[in-house]
Amino acid sequence: DTAVSQTPKYLVTQMGNDKSIKCEQNLGHDTMYWYKQDSKKFLKIMFSYNNKELIINETVPNRFSPKSPDKAHLNLHINSLELGDSAVYFCASEGRGNEKLFFGSGTQLSVL
Amino acid sequence: AQSVAQPEDQVNVAEGNPLTVKCTYSVSGNPYLFWYVQYPNRGLQFLLKYITGDNLVKGSYGFEAEFNKSQTSFHLKKPSALVSDSALYFCAVRDTDKLIFGTGTRLQVFP
Repeated sequence: DTAVSQTPKYLVTQMGNDKSIKCEQNLGHDTMYWYKQDSKKFLKIMFSYNNKELIINETVPNRFSPKSPDKAHLNLHINSLELGDSAVYFCASEGRGNEKLFFGSGTQLSVL
Repeated sequence: AQSVAQPEDQVNVAEGNPLTVKCTYSVSGNPYLFWYVQYPNRGLQFLLKYITGDNLVKGSYGFEAEFNKSQTSFHLKKPSALVSDSALYFCAVRDTDKLIFGTGTRLQVFP
């Protein structure tokens, strides 16, 4: 079983559309994250949730809205997609006191 | 704010030779430092971490890292490189409740 799974793996869409990326972890972790990796491979944190509660929101445009229906899931909804949103989005989870992140395999978003 | 720097965009090494991937840090307080590896089209995988204790930390796949407080460095090392070690390597530092990643170093191991 994949520990942290994201869907879809690839997402190609037009500017202005709304799309969602889903993430699920089966590790029993309390904390989940969304990271964005740009074309230069630079990784930047976007959000983190702990047990369904938003902990970190790193000055991400409010077109991006994370939702955590339960602590095993953290989805990312993006409204009015822009060209600059093209990137790879990674979900990750972390157990309490674990100090180690487990990453999903990423969702490559291409906005045309 | 905590930060890490990876001064090399790419490191090339011949198979069988020792490798070093450099990382320096800037933190207030005691650093929590990490190395992660990213293979093509994959998510990041944890290699090793330094929290406290021995300055030489051993991790996955034969990698190790040396914490050097005086030089504020946490370089990743391996005694003998494999072609399969070719990947993107990220140094990271814990900042309260999140990990801050360096810009990454691409390691290319040639046969």
